Amino acid sequence: DTAVSQTPKYLVTQMGNDKSIKCEQNLGHDTMYWYKQDSKKFLKIMFSYNNKELIINETVPNRFSPKSPDKAHLNLHINSLELGDSAVYFCASSQGDGDYEQYFGPGTRLTVT
Amino acid sequence: GENVEQHPSTLSVQEGDSAVIKCTYSDSASNYFPWYKQELGKRPQLIIDIRSNVGEKKDQRIAVTLNKTAKHFSLHITETQPEDSAVYFCAASKTGGGNKLTFGTGTQLKVEL
Repeated sequence: DTAVSQTPKYLVTQMGNDKSIKCEQNLGHDTMYWYKQDSKKFLKIMFSYNNKELIINETVPNRFSPKSPDKAHLNLHINSLELGDSAVYFCASSQGDGDYEQYFGPGTRLTVT
Repeated sequence: GENVEQHPSTLSVQEGDSAVIKCTYSDSASNYFPWYKQELGKRPQLIIDIRSNVGEKKDQRIAVTLNKTAKHFSLHITETQPEDSAVYFCAASKTGGGNKLTFGTGTQLKVEL
């Protein structure tokens, strides 16, 4: 019974392309997040939505655009992909935007060539 | 913004020994400190957390201590086992911050037989 799922698991694409990563949670949580984990394993938050409202928007190039069609889904669209975008992208969710455990998805490994 | 430093970056111990990972944070308003474990190729998972109104918390072989004055917190693993081998991340957040976690840079723990 998958709690937080992401698709695709792997994504290999060329520079300049546009791609999307999808995330779904079946935990009934109100808050969802996108994180980027680089090659040195550094984990950094990008965006967070609470009840479909954007509440955290870190210093991320505007080529990255999140979209939350409903509380259970949070997608990430990336335009004009660059080599530096290669990383593992994790979606996460939590019960709310307070001090709640964040449940991570399995990650999407994006490779830009 | 918050800055979390984590040491050591790598830690190798013999099975049965104890392991200690230390973190410092910069924002005195931070009041929630979770620890996440990430096995190779897997998602980060919460193993223990502590809030600023508590100085120590224990769960079986793992414990976390917090020194608010010094802005230090530490993870202690006793009787280490091979399955404890993973990357461990400390993190910090504050009330009203939208559950925005600032992660440390991670500690690669290797438990040798």
